[in-house]
Order: sequence, then structure tokens, then C-alpha cells
Amino acid sequence: TQLLEQSPQFLSIQEGENLTVYCNSSSVFSSLQWYRQEPGEGPVLLVTVVTGGEVKKLKRLTFQFGDARKDSSLHITAAQPGDTGLYLCAGAYNTDKLIFGTGTRLQVFP
Amino acid sequence: EAQVTQNPRYLITVTGKKLTVTCSQNMNHEYMSWYRQDPGLGLRQIYYSMNVEVTDKGDVPEGYKVSRKEKRNFPLILESPSPNQTSLYFCASSSKGYSNQPQHFGDGTRLSIL
Repeated sequence: TQLLEQSPQFLSIQEGENLTVYCNSSSVFSSLQWYRQEPGEGPVLLVTVVTGGEVKKLKRLTFQFGDARKDSSLHITAAQPGDTGLYLCAGAYNTDKLIFGTGTRLQVFP
Repeated sequence: EAQVTQNPRYLITVTGKKLTVTCSQNMNHEYMSWYRQDPGLGLRQIYYSMNVEVTDKGDVPEGYKVSRKEKRNFPLILESPSPNQTSLYFCASSSKGYSNQPQHFGDGTRLSIL
């Protein structure tokens, strides 16, 4: 069974702080997606990374795919209360399979 | 508006009473799938469908059935629900494969089996 472990599981910080969420696996993925989920809603795609070593930026969010395509990180600069939510990574390892990580629940206090 | 619609959003029922959760998408997507979300376990795939009349088991298919008679609809059927199927369920669709296509999720169905 493929596993995608995320850390930390929970993160509670003050507005303005920086944070990093990690997504790790022993498997090689063809691509990796990051989602954010808010209460009462389904996950919404933030970004897809495809190439080993790739870095993508989405405003204050920076996503990186590991060189070996087994891990990824999400860094948020100057977190804001609007960043609060559940962050999920998801790895694709063939054309019809996507496996989700265990999730990181982020709470940003004003 | 492009969307995935699930119904019902909430359901409380009893063990053994058959239920169906409907899922419909208006994006003409080929791929559809069902997930369940449980605390600490993330999203686990129940069943998926690559196209009409083509369905396959995901990671946790026991106790569930699906059908894909039309491209837009992908209902999830619990023939004899049990308390361990109490969970938050999501339907998702994507245009082609999973490798680099975004998953579009519904807003979820919270099932409680007593």
C-alpha cells in the first residue's frame, strides 16, 4: 500500500509567522498536487508539481517537489487567518491513481 | 458554473437500511471517483470510474457499490450500511487520468449510521 505522510498533523500559529508543511513517501510519483479544504467544503486544488526539483509560487505560498519526486513541501510566508484550513498533498503514480496524504490542519490566529 | 453536486449533504440512518448518495458533474469529465475522509486517515478512495460502464475498486471498496450508466452521474450505494461506514464522503471528477489533472470535488456528504 502506498503511503503519503504529512507533517505536522496540526499547526497553530499567529498571524505573520512562517510555516512549512511536509509531504513524504517512499514511492516515486509522476506528479504531486496540493489541495486546501475548508470546513463544509471539498478540497480545492492549489497547485500541481510535475518535475523533480520544481518550485512553484502562489502569492505567499511556495511549493517544492523533491529532486527524487518522493517528497514535497509547502511553505507559507507571513500566514494570515484566511490561510486556515486543512492542507492535503496527493501523489499520482500512474494514470488512474491518486493517493492522498494524511493532511495538515492549520489554524492561524489574528 | 462548473461543479460536482452531491446529495444528500447530511444523512442519519440505521444499520442495514440501503442508501444511495448521488453525484453529478456538469464538466463532461471522463473520470469520477468516491472517497471517504476520516480523521487522521486523509482521503481514501472507495471506487473510481474511467468512463461510462467502466468502474474499478479503490483502496477501501468493501461494503460499497457504484454504477456509471451515464457520463455525468456516479452514485454510491451502501446496500447494508454498518456503523463503520459513518464518515464524510466526497465525490470527485477529473477530465483525463490523474497525473496532472485537477480533481474537482463536491462539498461532501456526512453519513451517520446508527
